Amino acid sequence: AQSVTQPDIHITVSEGASLELRCNYSYGATPYLFWYVQSPGQGLQLLLKYFSGDTLVQGIKGFEAEFKRSQSSFNLRKPSVHWSDAAEYFCAVGAVFGGYNKLIFGAGTRLAVHP
Amino acid sequence: DAEITQSPRHKITETGRQVTLACHQTWNHNNMFWYRQDLGHGLRLIHYSYGVQDTNKGEVSDGYSVSRSNTEDLPLTLESAASSQTSVYFCASSSEKGGRGRMNTEAFFGQGTRLTVV
Repeated sequence: AQSVTQPDIHITVSEGASLELRCNYSYGATPYLFWYVQSPGQGLQLLLKYFSGDTLVQGIKGFEAEFKRSQSSFNLRKPSVHWSDAAEYFCAVGAVFGGYNKLIFGAGTRLAVHP
Repeated sequence: DAEITQSPRHKITETGRQVTLACHQTWNHNNMFWYRQDLGHGLRLIHYSYGVQDTNKGEVSDGYSVSRSNTEDLPLTLESAASSQTSVYFCASSSEKGGRGRMNTEAFFGQGTRLTVV
């Protein structure tokens, strides 16, 4: 079955602390991988993407993500979180599911940042 | 600048009524999508299209329909609105590289439509 799993529904970190948001996917091959961020009342904005090549990808706002094929994971990281990073984060997979190309999202992780 | 717009931003309707949510993009993208966002479920795919006259069902398509008569628009219709369809709806579009429907480029999202069915 096609799936994208984000195990953490809510995460709270202190400003300046490091952050890691987890994402696992279920797919037989290497899919196209994305992280999006959604601020309250807004649409989604792309943070970064992975298609091939270097497994560590850099994105906007100081975020990076690492693709690990052996773990079917694409975890998002940031060395030092800012209060403005408080938002909901979605991992997404673009691949062929059921014979059709689809873009499938995880359930999201809501990040709160303490001052 | 190119953009993707949804209308209306907010809608309240009664059970059993037909409702159409509009989505218009000026990116000239072939791929277009409709998702619904509900707490605990993230974004779930309702329908998608790879181009004009192409439409495909997503994971939660029951009670919804779409049509693609041109590149720019993918309206979403709720045939007979139900309370279970109260949700926030997002439209998105993307281009593709190297093959029809490939999901290998950034998807651009509208601001969402908050639909309440009473």
